[in-house]
Amino acid sequence: QQQVKQSPQSLIVQKGGISIINCAYENTAFDYFPWYQQFPGKGPALLIAIRPDVSEKKEGRFTISFNKSAKQFSLHIMDSQPGDSATYFCAASKRSFGNEKLTFGTGTRLTIIP
Amino acid sequence: DSGVTQTPKHLITATGQRVTLRCSPRSGDLSVYWYQQSLDQGLQFLIQYYNGEERAKGNILERFSAQQFPDLHSELNLSSLELGDSALYFCASSVDPMGFTEQYFGPGTRLTVT
Repeated sequence: QQQVKQSPQSLIVQKGGISIINCAYENTAFDYFPWYQQFPGKGPALLIAIRPDVSEKKEGRFTISFNKSAKQFSLHIMDSQPGDSATYFCAASKRSFGNEKLTFGTGTRLTIIP
Repeated sequence: DSGVTQTPKHLITATGQRVTLRCSPRSGDLSVYWYQQSLDQGLQFLIQYYNGEERAKGNILERFSAQQFPDLHSELNLSSLELGDSALYFCASSVDPMGFTEQYFGPGTRLTVT
């Protein structure tokens, strides 16, 4: 059972544009939603995370938007740069003892073209 | 660099063999998580240890086992290897699950079973 659905599978954005990746979750017990960035041959790196008590979190060019009623959250990358080309994973977990494991989406391969 | 180290980086072995993957968490982190990344299954949680004790189990095969030692490093043992076990294996660490802190991933071990 895929508990976190991610789209699109791949995305091509022009340099300077806005990249948007969407995720939807099924388990209403989830209460922590991080985004990870992964470059080829590297491990996932934590990018930004949000808890459901806020609807938006911004860190530099990266913003998470969260819609609790729709059980959806998205990553926006403003002023996208070629260095942002990577695979992005959304994830979710329940922050209670023994339930911290991350459930990942299937990933989005982002390519920023000049 | 996340501060999580994994050895070896690459491992090539034959079906039926047994291998051990090693992970050293970030300094001060008590919790270690193991994840498997494959093309067909994506990033999947395997098992979590906290301060030497198993805390949570995911989709881990009976042929796989793990442990966390008093110095907090962890080992993932994979036995009776099959072709389908070929994947990237990541270890992640966090300070304290009760503190609900972020998980930081190591660079991974790429396992190829021939």
